[in-house]
Amino acid sequence: EAGVAQSPRYKIIEKRQSVAFWCNPISGHATLYWYQQILGQGPKLLIQFQNNGVVDDSQLPKDRFSAERLKGVDSTLKIQPAKLEDSAVYLCASSLDRGGWGTGELFFGEGSRLTVL
Amino acid sequence: DQQVKQNSPSLSVQEGRISILNCDYTNSMFDYFLWYKKYPAEGPTFLISISSIKDKNEDGRFTVFLNKSAKHLSLHIVPSQPGDSAVYFCAARHGGSQGNLIFGKGTKLSVKP
Repeated sequence: EAGVAQSPRYKIIEKRQSVAFWCNPISGHATLYWYQQILGQGPKLLIQFQNNGVVDDSQLPKDRFSAERLKGVDSTLKIQPAKLEDSAVYLCASSLDRGGWGTGELFFGEGSRLTVL
Repeated sequence: DQQVKQNSPSLSVQEGRISILNCDYTNSMFDYFLWYKKYPAEGPTFLISISSIKDKNEDGRFTVFLNKSAKHLSLHIVPSQPGDSAVYFCAARHGGSQGNLIFGKGTKLSVKP
């Protein structure tokens, strides 16, 4: 079974530029998550989708971050304009559970490392 | 406000010995606790979980213990192997949430041959 796919793996941009990350979850997983992991910290949820609807985006900096999952499968996370503090690894995860059920296991992709100069 | 705390940034143990990784939490509404393992340049991978209604769960060399009264859980690895060297994250799920996990900062385990 293919895992969660993310691209690009690495991206270097200057502040005020824009960047987009793509995620394709495990087939059949209805729930998709974007997490931000800053160096030395644990992953922090940015946004959660259930199919193509947003379940939780309370920690998404909406003035600069946006995300969509138009067909309920793959998703894109965009940052515009980027700030120095956005340097982090952006992790996409998916789960089979219908949000909040089962054992809570999330399956993560390898992440997209962003460096903002 | 850190709801899941891993107070030890790093831990070093000898191969064959027991590794004990600790995690504390503050929210009594958490219903599941999970441990994830992360190698450099890879995403976190699920290791083991425990429901809040249990106090122990075992899977091979890995055992997780939950002490609800102390709001504390621990991961025991016996025997430790060099391949276990990684960052271990403790995570918790709020019972009323939609599945979102709250992570600790992680503990870097080094197992020396």
